[in-house]
Amino acid sequence: DAKTTQPPSMDCAEGRAANLPCNHSTISGNEYVYWYRQIHSQGPQYIIHGLKNNETNEMASLIITEDRKSSTLILPHATLRDTAVYYCIVRAHNAGGTSYGKLTFGQGTILTVHP
Amino acid sequence: DTAVSQTPKYLVTQMGNDKSIKCEQNLGHDTMYWYKQDSKKFLKIMFSYNNKELIINETVPNRFSPKSPDKAHLNLHINSLELGDSAVYFCASSQVSHYGKLFFGSGTQLSVL
Repeated sequence: DAKTTQPPSMDCAEGRAANLPCNHSTISGNEYVYWYRQIHSQGPQYIIHGLKNNETNEMASLIITEDRKSSTLILPHATLRDTAVYYCIVRAHNAGGTSYGKLTFGQGTILTVHP
Repeated sequence: DTAVSQTPKYLVTQMGNDKSIKCEQNLGHDTMYWYKQDSKKFLKIMFSYNNKELIINETVPNRFSPKSPDKAHLNLHINSLELGDSAVYFCASSQVSHYGKLFFGSGTQLSVL
């Protein structure tokens, strides 16, 4: 799986959009970009994933650059409850065999949403 | 209803003891996992089970033995606990059709004294 690079920490004011960047310059053609977050003392939570088109769901939007070497997770109206560590992960969508459910978590970005 | 539940939430024990962590998912998933998060917060897969069959064993010491009595349960038994086993252990599950989208439990914080 391709390696990802994220800033170690970011701040955001409550109610504003939080834009979390991720670099994945070695991503290969069959690899998707996944985002998870981990709120303190909880298990990781799936947010969104995408291949090359922009994606949106009830939690967030995912913008992937045309060359697919980077992406941005957007929380449109951040709340205090969005304070968490956000992980950007790339992996083949349905890789089986020895890759069953194997997510390679990096350090992630600690997002702090303040009042 | 909690989708992936694990018990206990906290486990404090002495070195050398044997302990188990239980996990159950009510999502109808075929695949279940154990992940370990160490003191530096790195999260790493330990085991993956698909339909009760072991698929991934990420060079985990054989003191760790997962057991899957059925597709909805994946328990983790740890023999001869060591100080270095102190960590948070997460159970997770996913659908066969979507291995990248995992549902995690809330974790078991294991402290070995």
